[in-house]
Amino acid sequence: DAGVIQSPRHEVTEMGQEVTLRCKPISGHNSLFWYRQTMMRGLELLIYFNNNVPIDDSGMPEDRFSAKMPNASFSTLKIQPSEPRDSAVYFCASSPGLAGKYEQYFGPGTRLTVT
Amino acid sequence: QKEVEQDPGPLSVPEGAIVSLNCTYSNSAFQYFMWYRQYSRKGPELLMYTYSSGNKEDGRFTAQVDKSSKYISLFIRDSQPSDSATYLCAMIFMDTGRRALTFGSGTRLQVQP
Repeated sequence: DAGVIQSPRHEVTEMGQEVTLRCKPISGHNSLFWYRQTMMRGLELLIYFNNNVPIDDSGMPEDRFSAKMPNASFSTLKIQPSEPRDSAVYFCASSPGLAGKYEQYFGPGTRLTVT
Repeated sequence: QKEVEQDPGPLSVPEGAIVSLNCTYSNSAFQYFMWYRQYSRKGPELLMYTYSSGNKEDGRFTAQVDKSSKYISLFIRDSQPSDSATYLCAMIFMDTGRRALTFGSGTRLQVQP
């Protein structure tokens, strides 16, 4: 299995621009999570989906952030407009999502720099 | 007070030593426990996953959970320089059906050759 795939691996953009991060979960996994990692705050959940439906978006910082999961094999996280404080590493993770199978597998992350 | 507390280190040990990494948590609703290893500029890699109190062993790694004390540990035997990384404990809060992970801040481990 290829594991969780994320693209791009690095993104440098100017403040005010739209940024779209992409994720392909492990095949057969029912749950998908977006996390953000910073030195100050560590790893924090942004949003998660179960069976393509958003279940918990309480971690989404504000309306500038949006996430979609149009099918079981693809999700996007969009930031519009981007700000320097959005600079962080964004991770996507997937999980079997079955009873007793809650372990999560992470992708390599997208390192976002907003100047 | 954070929900999950973890000593940030750094923890420096000689090669071959037994390493003990620990986390405490405040809410008994945390039920599933994981340990991740994260190398610099990489994604977290799942090492161990356990639910029950007691020990779970996988090669050089042993995960220990004490739910009565709200304390979890990861032991690494015969530590190697390649074990140098940040180790993150993580757990799932089961009360509300929320399945997202709550992470500790991570302990940076350095194994000296």
